[in-house]
Amino acid sequence: GQSLEQPSEVTAVEGAIVQINCTYQTSGFYGLSWYQQHDGGAPTFLSYNALDGLEETGRFSSFLSRSDSYGYLLLQELQMKDSASYFCAVRFVRDSNYQLIWGAGTKLIIKP
Amino acid sequence: EAQVTQNPRYLITVTGKKLTVTCSQNMNHEYMSWYRQDPGLGLRQIYYSMNVEVTDKGDVPEGYKVSRKEKRNFPLILESPSPNQTSLYFCASSPYRESTYEQYFGPGTRLTVT
Repeated sequence: GQSLEQPSEVTAVEGAIVQINCTYQTSGFYGLSWYQQHDGGAPTFLSYNALDGLEETGRFSSFLSRSDSYGYLLLQELQMKDSASYFCAVRFVRDSNYQLIWGAGTKLIIKP
Repeated sequence: EAQVTQNPRYLITVTGKKLTVTCSQNMNHEYMSWYRQDPGLGLRQIYYSMNVEVTDKGDVPEGYKVSRKEKRNFPLILESPSPNQTSLYFCASSPYRESTYEQYFGPGTRLTVT
């Protein structure tokens, strides 16, 4: 079966750096996506890693190690607006179709 | 504006009363999907569609039906809703079957079944 694990909650201080980890067990792994969801809002796509290494997009970076079945989302220069839930999602193949399976989400709490 | 729309946004209904949640996208996307979100469980896929007239079950399809008669629309039908279907529902789309790692979500429909 497929499973993902991420911490349920992470707390950080405004202006600091925070890392949100995601470990997965899956067959037919193709890549790892990250999404952000503010309270009352819809998930929005942040990044996707298909290959090992670090992908940087502004203040956000995402890392993947396929050999360790592990990835993380790194948020730098934290701002209050970054307070949200962050979901990792594994892309895999089921019935010849690419699909996503989602982690339970990490609530990021930012303190001033 | 490119978007995914859902209606209604909020719905309170009673057990057994059939209902439909509509989903429409104006981006000409091939792939569409329905998810439910429950506290502590993340997003779970109900049904998905790779293109017109092609639909498949996701992880939690029991009690739901879908159809894809037009590319832009992907309604979710609950023939006989039950309280365990109380949840937050999201419709999502993606340009192609190969691009499902990046999905565009509608605003969500909060459903309460009493």
